[in-house]
Amino acid sequence: EAGVVQSPRYKIIEKKQPVAFWCNPISGHNTLYWYRQNLGQGPELLIRYENEEAVDDSQLPKDRFSAERLKGVDSTLKIQPAELGDSAVYLCASSLATGGASPLHFGNGTRLTVT
Amino acid sequence: AQSVAQPEDQVNVAEGNPLTVKCTYSVSGNPYLFWYVQYPNRGLQFLLKYITGDNLVKGSYGFEAEFNKSQTSFHLKKPSALVSDSALYFCAVRPLRDYKLSFGAGTTVTVRA
Repeated sequence: EAGVVQSPRYKIIEKKQPVAFWCNPISGHNTLYWYRQNLGQGPELLIRYENEEAVDDSQLPKDRFSAERLKGVDSTLKIQPAELGDSAVYLCASSLATGGASPLHFGNGTRLTVT
Repeated sequence: AQSVAQPEDQVNVAEGNPLTVKCTYSVSGNPYLFWYVQYPNRGLQFLLKYITGDNLVKGSYGFEAEFNKSQTSFHLKKPSALVSDSALYFCAVRPLRDYKLSFGAGTTVTVRA
């Protein structure tokens, strides 16, 4: 099966500019996650979707971050405006079910550099 | 709230020697435990998980992990390390009745030829 696909792989922008990341999960996976991974740290959850509904966005900085998952498949994460501290790798993951023993399947991530 | 500790930032071993990557966790109730591996410029790749039952679980690429409830540990092991095992390894925990997966900070493994 095809894995989780993310684009772009790399993005360099100047601060205050907008940026968007795209994710296509594994077919049939209803649960989609966006994580942020800072250098030297483990991934931290930003938002979780069950189909098209954002069921946990408590860690998403809503003043500048937004996300959507139209039709419960692909998802887009947006930052506007970007700040220097947003430089990180943004990982998308999907799983067959929420919770339990279902492992997460990760994409290769988008490495964002804000200058 | 749950948490994961990986006490070693780096582990260095010679090829052919046994490899151990340590993980301890804190969670309310019984946990699901996972190990993931991350190669440079790649996403995390699932290695193995503990759900219930046998404390020794086997996963991909010859890795195994031992669950120890009394010590709240879930150490990753490989009897004979390969140079290609050099990567960043993450331990993660999820409570049984919760969806939230929490990761440790990661351990960089270097296997020298």
